[in-house]
Amino acid sequence: GAVVSQHPSWVICKSGTSVKIECRSLDFQATTMFWYRQFPKQSLMLMATSNEGSKATYEQGVEKDKFLINHASLTLSTLTVTSAHPEDSSFYICSASPGTSGRSEQFFGPGTRLTVL
Amino acid sequence: SQKIEQNSEALNIQEGKTATLTCNYTNYSPAYLQWYRQDPGRGPVFLLLIRENEKEKRKERLKVTFDTTLKQSLFHITASQPADSATYLCALDALGGGNKLTFGTGTQLKVEL
Repeated sequence: GAVVSQHPSWVICKSGTSVKIECRSLDFQATTMFWYRQFPKQSLMLMATSNEGSKATYEQGVEKDKFLINHASLTLSTLTVTSAHPEDSSFYICSASPGTSGRSEQFFGPGTRLTVL
Repeated sequence: SQKIEQNSEALNIQEGKTATLTCNYTNYSPAYLQWYRQDPGRGPVFLLLIRENEKEKRKERLKVTFDTTLKQSLFHITASQPADSATYLCALDALGGGNKLTFGTGTQLKVEL
């Protein structure tokens, strides 16, 4: 079945540094991938839609200059948290859909736990 | 404003019983609704998708209903097992399409021996 991987699974960094998270679809091509953030005891909040070959579409309130998204190929999207601060500490999850029509289930990566000291 | 509400209180049931979880929404006209399972520290796992013109969908011990008049979906797990203990999330396609999903807050289910 459709598998999505994320790397790293967890990362601890100092305040002010940048962190890159990779999301890969292992057995299917994804023209669109999604990035979510989840705080403890809360639901997933969509941050942005990553489109292969074009700019990402950010949700309202998400700073595009802080959360840089690059969709380099049909199987890889990266999220870079620039100048991270403790309030950016969260669980970041990506997803992708193998459907071409757009209306299908999403397959999620295992998530990346970011802790900013 | 748009809202997706799931029972925020944890649901504790006994093994073998049927668990029923509720998802209510307002100010949405979703074309489809999905249910996911999430274990602690992991990404969600897709379970079932039901479209607006479908009343009920089944998969093994799982059953989902979708009532667009009541704006509600019910998720049932029959013959529940301790391994079914997890948080269950409902998700709707957001206005604007593009396969964007908006998630409810989730309901934590605990199946006890």
